[in-house]
Amino acid sequence: AQKITQTQPGMFVQEKEAVTLDCTYDTSDQSYGLFWYKQPSSGEMIFLIYQGSYDEQNATEGRYSLNFQKARKSANLVISASQLGDSAMYFCAMRGPQGGSEKLVFGKGTKLTVNP
Amino acid sequence: EAGVTQFPSHSVIEKGQTVTLRCDPISGHDNLYWYRRVMGKEIKFLLHFVKESKQDESGMPNNRFLAERTGGTYSTLKVQPAELEDSGVYFCASSRFVTRVANVLTFGAGSRLTVL
Repeated sequence: AQKITQTQPGMFVQEKEAVTLDCTYDTSDQSYGLFWYKQPSSGEMIFLIYQGSYDEQNATEGRYSLNFQKARKSANLVISASQLGDSAMYFCAMRGPQGGSEKLVFGKGTKLTVNP
Repeated sequence: EAGVTQFPSHSVIEKGQTVTLRCDPISGHDNLYWYRRVMGKEIKFLLHFVKESKQDESGMPNNRFLAERTGGTYSTLKVQPAELEDSGVYFCASSRFVTRVANVLTFGAGSRLTVL
């Protein structure tokens, strides 16, 4: 079965600094996708970044990058130049073939607080 | 384009009562998903519609939960009768294409259900 582990319940970072949110995963699938979502206090889950298991380069989207280490089964999210608006819950998720199921498997999330 | 809309944003009911949650996906999105987050735990998959058909309902907890998507547009999730353990945030998500691993879901802000 697939599993996502986020070991940091909460993280603090100073504005303008970089922060890494950890995510490790477990799967027996060869083909899978990894996602990061942000949930601000408004509640809406916002897609940030995607990494495919066969992608050779780490995914990047603006200030977000995904540090993908396949052998270690880790997919850490790096946020550069943190802003106050980055304060939110961050969820790591994955999807694999799983017999054709579309479902995403989520971690418990990390609450990021950006201090001025 | 308008995002995924969920109603109500918060519902407080007593044990044994019935609650119906509604989700309006992004127009043109054939795929609609329900997920749930119980306090302090992971976001868990409930079910997946493709148009009006249930593609995967493996995550539905029990027969007190009934999801419908008549006409392939909006969806409802009814809980009857509600139990204390049903409390949590119910998320709806939609997507246009089914490309398996790389399919990015757009989530709504969730409906918070509190059962007293």
